[in-house]
Amino acid sequence: DTEVTQTPKHLVMGMTNKKSLKCEQHMGHRAMYWYKQKAKKPPELMFVYSYEKLSINESVPSRFSPECPNSSLLNLHLHALQPEDSALYLCASSRRRVSGNTIYFGEGSWLTVV
Amino acid sequence: GEDVEQSLFLSVREGDSSVINCTYTDSSSTYLYWYKQEPGAGLQLLTYIFSNMDMKQDQRLTVLLNKKDKHLSLRIADTQTGDSAIYFCGGGYSGYALNFGKGTSLLVTP
Repeated sequence: DTEVTQTPKHLVMGMTNKKSLKCEQHMGHRAMYWYKQKAKKPPELMFVYSYEKLSINESVPSRFSPECPNSSLLNLHLHALQPEDSALYLCASSRRRVSGNTIYFGEGSWLTVV
Repeated sequence: GEDVEQSLFLSVREGDSSVINCTYTDSSSTYLYWYKQEPGAGLQLLTYIFSNMDMKQDQRLTVLLNKKDKHLSLRIADTQTGDSAIYFCGGGYSGYALNFGKGTSLLVTP
């Protein structure tokens, strides 16, 4: 089973709202990632968690707050977002956080900020 | 991130072969990947190749890797309309995660 599950699939939120995106995998992977993808662009790395610890933050604004409560779950907390944050947010996981481990992506959460 | 270059657009007729090309600057990746993204969907892992291989075949897909020229290609045999999508190449550069090329939009016409 090579599945990464993301919820919700679609989210519309106002600029003053607080919401969260959730990601789950049961493959025993110890590295999990958040990517952001704008229309017609490649995914851009936001955060990397390795063994439930944040190891990479690609200069992401603090209105995005990741959380890894356990080895199977990854959350992205959203607060005071801007309309330009509207995008597809992709979660991914791999066995470990090293080059050479196959990375599996979820279907993504479509976020619209109004 | 590392530079990964792809041609942006490819149009082929149904039944023909498609070849999507990718060049990269960093040779430290252990795996190199091809992902497919259909409109409105997430990324689907199509295939990958170890950096110590030259070729990998998987049903209609053939991946060729030229390490000397840092060139990766994906050949799709007998291309079908369902193959129309954006194809991203990427590698585990810098020891973590993936950097992607800009993606190649493949259009298959009847």
